[in-house]
Amino acid sequence: QVQLQQSGPGLVKPSQTLSLTCAISGDSVSSNSATWSWIRQSPSRGLEWLGRTYYRSKWYNDYAVSVKSRITINADTSKNQFSLQLNSVTPEDTAVYYCARAVLLGSWYTFDFWGQGTLVTVSS
Amino acid sequence: QSALTQPPSASGSPGQSVTISCTGTSSDVGAYNFVSWYQQHPGKAPKLMIYEVSKRPSGVPDRFSGSKSGNTASLTVSGLQAEDEADYYCSSYAGSNNYVAFGGGTKLTVL
Repeated sequence: QVQLQQSGPGLVKPSQTLSLTCAISGDSVSSNSATWSWIRQSPSRGLEWLGRTYYRSKWYNDYAVSVKSRITINADTSKNQFSLQLNSVTPEDTAVYYCARAVLLGSWYTFDFWGQGTLVTVSS
Repeated sequence: QSALTQPPSASGSPGQSVTISCTGTSSDVGAYNFVSWYQQHPGKAPKLMIYEVSKRPSGVPDRFSGSKSGNTASLTVSGLQAEDEADYYCSSYAGSNNYVAFGGGTKLTVL
């Protein structure tokens, strides 16, 4: 059974960097059949996909247009985890952040396992 | 504002059926058969209920079914049970730039 365990601070000051980590058990971050995403949820924006990392002979990253200039997602194979960094945060970035695995179900990658969620509040 | 439009609420009595709609555009829901539905109980992570419009992952009761017509996808829950009360979100592949779009969620109440 795949488990995703999130960690990171719940409070970040405006203009600083939001950093979260997602530790994977039951699968490998280097898997050739999975992708690893960050998704956030807020009352104002609903569910919003932020970006993903995945390995297919080399590492790839895709980011949502809305955060592309501020986001970095990295994989750490030694710890079997991946991380999110979101720079220059504002109160609009306050949300519950989820990490999630997507695998090929049929012809498309679908999110089948999610982390427990981390409420991140941006406030001074 | 979410990319896909869902009604904010839906309700039904135990044993009844309820259908939740998810309206997108010809660039997402209408263009691809890559619509998924997620169930989310309060304080919990979303759970995959339907993928590729109408397919159920192992372990999801066959009371849950999905369909699509044009730019609108639908989730039907038949034989409503108390544990079906939750928020339901749709998602769709939205092309290489946006990758995936989500709906705003529908709160299903079992009366």
